[in-house]
Amino acid sequence: EAEVAQSPRYKITEKSQAVAFWCDPISGHATLYWYRQILGQGPELLVQFQDESVVDDSQLPKDRFSAERLKGVDSTLKIQPAELGDSAMYLCASSSRRGMNTEAFFGQGTRLTVV
Amino acid sequence: GESVGLHLPTLSVQEGDNSIINCAYSNSASDYFIWYKQESGKGPQFIIDIRSNMDKRQGQRVTVLLNKTVKHLSLQIAATQPGDSAVYFCAERVGGSYIPTFGRGTSLIVHP
Repeated sequence: EAEVAQSPRYKITEKSQAVAFWCDPISGHATLYWYRQILGQGPELLVQFQDESVVDDSQLPKDRFSAERLKGVDSTLKIQPAELGDSAMYLCASSSRRGMNTEAFFGQGTRLTVV
Repeated sequence: GESVGLHLPTLSVQEGDNSIINCAYSNSASDYFIWYKQESGKGPQFIIDIRSNMDKRQGQRVTVLLNKTVKHLSLQIAATQPGDSAVYFCAERVGGSYIPTFGRGTSLIVHP
């Protein structure tokens, strides 16, 4: 069964260090999302891509976060420098059609702990 | 005020009972709704969706009800099983937006 792949599953980093997460969406899915989920809360959108273009990054803290999807397939989310408050689950999701009522499929997430 | 962090609403049921998980949404322009199940340490998993032109949709052991008058969504799980134990989130999409917005989750605990 096709699934969204994310790596690493777990990451521990010291504050002020750089950290990166990788996502490979379901093959053929043009829309890719990065969400952040703090323990006990629902996922919150950070950035949405349509193919290689950013559709919405209004909630992305651009002073330290960056995201790219250069070839419109896999994507990388980077944090530099990491802060203690960045500790969370980072989820990637993809969906097949933009603007249609279709669900997003989520990966297993990367659990980030900043110490 | 509303509690945040670890204080998720919790529903405890016995195995075999029916479960009802509720969700209130605030945006009357929302036209598409999805229920997700999230097990510990995993990403959300799609359960069922419903468009705003419907008031009920059924799946396997699950039913979603939509009441647009009071902006309320519910997920009914029949014959709840221990494997149903998870956090359940409703998500909504506003017409013209392509981004699902998640509500607050409910933790379902099923006792054998």
